[in-house]
Amino acid sequence: NAGVMQNPRHLVRRRGQEARLRCSPMKGHSHVYWYRQLPEEGLKFMVYLQKENIIDESGMPKERFSAEFPKEGPSILRIQQVVRGDSAAYFCASTTGQEDEQYFGPGTRLTVT
Amino acid sequence: QKEVEQNSGPLSVPEGAIASLNCTYSDRGSQSFFWYRQYSGKSPELIMSIYSNGDKEDGRFTAQLNKASQYVSLLIRDSQPSDSATYLCAVNGGGSNYKLTFGKGTLLTVNP
Repeated sequence: NAGVMQNPRHLVRRRGQEARLRCSPMKGHSHVYWYRQLPEEGLKFMVYLQKENIIDESGMPKERFSAEFPKEGPSILRIQQVVRGDSAAYFCASTTGQEDEQYFGPGTRLTVT
Repeated sequence: QKEVEQNSGPLSVPEGAIASLNCTYSDRGSQSFFWYRQYSGKSPELIMSIYSNGDKEDGRFTAQLNKASQYVSLLIRDSQPSDSATYLCAVNGGGSNYKLTFGKGTLLTVNP
């Protein structure tokens, strides 16, 4: 996880609240991938973004989830009206777009109570 | 739907032995293959990437790829207790979208 930053590292939300997860890619990287890891399950792709563009959101639930990667600032994964099933570890990874080795950030562990 | 399957664990080996981890994938168009190590409660750490058929060695780790058989493996020689972790096989389809499809992982325990 050389340089990919995520915050917060742990997030507790009550059902119905909003969760905002932030990811700052490695310096010089402009491509960000978000993955979710549910308890006892593998990592699942959610969304792929470049600066100001969503390239592939095929893994993201159609409702309550959204993602952005503005020209300035971190990428944000937003979950509205959280439910218990959203409790998981959310990881982001970044690349320059010229190679495909992905390095992961430390993750945000979301707990919905 | 693209799938990545890993041999079911857990896998337990004595210290100093060779640990062998296996992975198969369903998408024949896959071009890039990766092994990640994940300690409990931590994020995945890239340990090997392989792109062409054959073997690739890096220290105690050797990745093997056979595209005809759609098979990837990771060998860990001289296993150490610090190698105890879950090993994730990941595959991407190439092109300009590098999203990864992961297996569920194999838990490896190296016993002192």
